[in-house]
Amino acid sequence: DAGITQSPRHKVTETGTPVTLRCHQTENHRYMYWYRQDPGHGLRLIHYSYGVKDTDKGEVSDGYSVSRSKTEDFLLTLESATSSQTSVYFCAIGGTGRNTEAFFGQGTRLTVV
Amino acid sequence: AQSVTQPDIHITVSEGASLELRCNYSYGATPYLFWYVQSPGQGLQLLLKYFSGDTLVQGIKGFEAEFKRSQSSFNLRKPSVHWSDAAEYFCAVVVYGGSQGNLIFGKGTKLSVKP
Repeated sequence: DAGITQSPRHKVTETGTPVTLRCHQTENHRYMYWYRQDPGHGLRLIHYSYGVKDTDKGEVSDGYSVSRSKTEDFLLTLESATSSQTSVYFCAIGGTGRNTEAFFGQGTRLTVV
Repeated sequence: AQSVTQPDIHITVSEGASLELRCNYSYGATPYLFWYVQSPGQGLQLLLKYFSGDTLVQGIKGFEAEFKRSQSSFNLRKPSVHWSDAAEYFCAVVVYGGSQGNLIFGKGTKLSVKP
């Protein structure tokens, strides 16, 4: 298995509180991604990073921010959690060019009450 | 905009029967295409990928997929389904903008297997 660790694996938080999810990789991949998975929507890209301090928005970036201060860590922050952000969040890592397959973490189940 | 369409939300097949899961993409350039599988409560596992060359690609667990440029399709097939294949399957394409790429997924097809 690719060395990807997501933490926490489960979290319950209250509406309006900030939440940070962490993705840690040991594979030295350039690309890292955050997705959310919801029934009927498949996986939707939130943000991705193509290098240290290089990030870009995905399809559903509103209400989320990210940071990547070193290659191995990619943080996803919900500045003020809302119930619509209850979801399963997946981190993925991948290379560039021909080596573009992505490897996924085990997911974080976030519930906002 | 680039997109991936999986027309079938849920498919049920009998164990031992053949399987074909459909995937269509919308992307101007030659795509990099993938199929992933997700078992309940698990992350996604790569089944197979297409970058270029032979349009019929073999993957793990006895799956294969065929890239058809004329139809913008990348359908997943298996000749004989096993009960353990019950899972959700996702087709994905890498989309490039400038020098960066990101992975766009279809909404998934849930496969149920009847004994």
